[in-house]
Amino acid sequence: KAGVTQTPRYLIKTRGQQVTLSCSPISGHRSVSWYQQTPGQGLQFLFEYFSETQRNKGNFPGRFSGRQFSNSRSEMNVSTLELGDSALYLCASGNSRVRNTEAFFGQGTRLTVV
Amino acid sequence: TQLLEQSPQFLSIQEGENLTVYCNSSSVFSSLQWYRQEPGEGPVLLVTVVTGGEVKKLKRLTFQFGDARKDSSLHITAAQPGDTGLYLCAGVATGNTPLVFGKGTRLSVIA
Repeated sequence: KAGVTQTPRYLIKTRGQQVTLSCSPISGHRSVSWYQQTPGQGLQFLFEYFSETQRNKGNFPGRFSGRQFSNSRSEMNVSTLELGDSALYLCASGNSRVRNTEAFFGQGTRLTVV
Repeated sequence: TQLLEQSPQFLSIQEGENLTVYCNSSSVFSSLQWYRQEPGEGPVLLVTVVTGGEVKKLKRLTFQFGDARKDSSLHITAAQPGDTGLYLCAGVATGNTPLVFGKGTRLSVIA
């Protein structure tokens, strides 16, 4: 079956702009989590959705937001982009309400803010 | 604050050598997972350990979960160039906490 699909793969934006990233989880998966990966900080948790409800939120400013649709697809939005937002944004889907089951990752969206 | 500390950060070894990477925390985890990430790809799960003291083997890779469920190790025997990648440990603490990751160990195996 198809894996986790993230679009776009690459994105270049200017400071102050806003951006929306998309994630389509594996068919049947209801959990979607978002992570920001940078060389200095590693994978930092952004938020987690399960059946359209935000279950957890990491320590990121309010400029970072997300949502999940009824078909489990998820989007994350970053407003007023800063240079420090340049990172690989990874989405992971899971098929269980239980968190210690496998997280399946997409290839990520590489965001560059100039 | 990084809940999971991984060491070493970088490791460069010759093909055929053995190595161990560590994942430590002051917190107790209900489960720990190990992932490998290659350039341009997302992390891929290698193993999940859930019981204190548990040892799991995956071909040349041996994973151990500490008795107190605060630490884990990954041992690779006779490393091969195909083992090159970023090794990440990740854990779920308790209750409704999300899966959190260490910063990873970047392994390079030279032929």
